[in-house]
Amino acid sequence: EIVLTQSPATLSLSPGERATLSCRASQSISSYLAWHQQKPGQAPRLLIYDASNRATGIPARFSGSGSGTDFTLTISSLEPEDFAVYYCQQRSNWPLTFGGGTKVEIK
Amino acid sequence: EVQLVESGGGLVQPGGSLRLSCAASGFTFTSFWMSWVRQASGKGLEWVANINEDGRGEFYLDSVKGRFTISRDNAKNSLYLQMNSLRVEDTAVYYCARAVGHFTGWGQGTLVTVSS
Repeated sequence: EIVLTQSPATLSLSPGERATLSCRASQSISSYLAWHQQKPGQAPRLLIYDASNRATGIPARFSGSGSGTDFTLTISSLEPEDFAVYYCQQRSNWPLTFGGGTKVEIK
Repeated sequence: EVQLVESGGGLVQPGGSLRLSCAASGFTFTSFWMSWVRQASGKGLEWVANINEDGRGEFYLDSVKGRFTISRDNAKNSLYLQMNSLRVEDTAVYYCARAVGHFTGWGQGTLVTVSS
């Protein structure tokens, strides 16, 4: 099973600041990584797929990078609606797995 | 717009059974794999099962193999999860999701509580 480790667990930032979230895989997953956003009481929403491709309707302030075992989600300038939990997810191997999540909270 | 609406959750005793349903609309159902993903209260996301476009290919999380069965009815644009021999640790919100490896659309979820 591929283990995804996200860091930090919590990121405390102010609106307008840049957020950098990390996801590390226990073995190479090429570029088969997605990022999902989840707000309290809501279903997750796909942000980024295949490491760097924005999903339909996702604002340009969200960007993804990386390949192999190290991946990054960057939010260039935090908007109030961006404070949420972010999960990475791999589709390279069965079982499909998620990281433990990074909570981006208002400082 | 992708719409996925789950139903069938509820309270069940350990060892009991439950069948979840997911009604899909807004896309060509027969062109996509489908998934179930769950989330225990306050915890992260956990993939449970996948089914391919024609329903002949099924994949499961090890801890649910032999207890859960994923199926689909393409004529009804519907996905199902039959859950047998339920355990307390199966308690979670269960999401239906459209899958292309990653999950491209999510339902709002249905709560399954396994408790005596």
